[in-house]
Amino acid sequence: QQQVKQSPQSLIVQKGGISIINCAYENTAFDYFPWYQQFPGKGPALLIAIRPDVSEKKEGRFTISFNKSAKQFSLHIMDSQPGDSATYFCAASKGGTSYGKLTFGQGTILTVHP
Amino acid sequence: DGGITQSPKYLFRKEGQNVTLSCEQNLNHDAMYWYRQDPGQGLRLIYYSQIVNDFQKGDIAEGYSVSREKKESFPLTVTSAQKNPTAFYLCASGGWLGGHTGELFFGEGSRLTVL
Repeated sequence: QQQVKQSPQSLIVQKGGISIINCAYENTAFDYFPWYQQFPGKGPALLIAIRPDVSEKKEGRFTISFNKSAKQFSLHIMDSQPGDSATYFCAASKGGTSYGKLTFGQGTILTVHP
Repeated sequence: DGGITQSPKYLFRKEGQNVTLSCEQNLNHDAMYWYRQDPGQGLRLIYYSQIVNDFQKGDIAEGYSVSREKKESFPLTVTSAQKNPTAFYLCASGGWLGGHTGELFFGEGSRLTVL
């Protein structure tokens, strides 16, 4: 019930293309869904996050789509750039005072070719 | 600069030895967390603390111990009881007592290798 499943494990796109990473969760008590970006040898950094009262959130080239009934959410990176090459993690938590107790997906290694 | 400082960045340990990883933050956050990262498994929560002098076990606490004597500091000890300690350890902090954004701020990690 605590799992968050992420796919694909790795993704290669051309510069200017769209990168799509998908996640599915089981625990309906989850209330907060962030995406983190991690570069090699560094800690993850928050990219964008959503709560289940909205179906989509956009920040620049990054968009989260959220489907509460299907218990799925996805990250779309528009106009992908080589600098976006990193590992991306989706995560979920119950929100409130538990927001930091994140359950992470397995990660997606994104490579954007110039 | 505000942030989270983890040390050491790299650490080698012989089997049977305890090691302590340091985590210091100057973001004035109440809550601090320790996560473990293994290839292909994402991050898993080891321990967390939402206030000084209090901490709770996460999903994989066995073989680890922590203390929270100061708001700024949350050290993690990897004991000899941890059966597979080789991993990348990440410390994070976030405010939760009002006004927080939900964001966790991570340090740059400590990579522990058991020889």
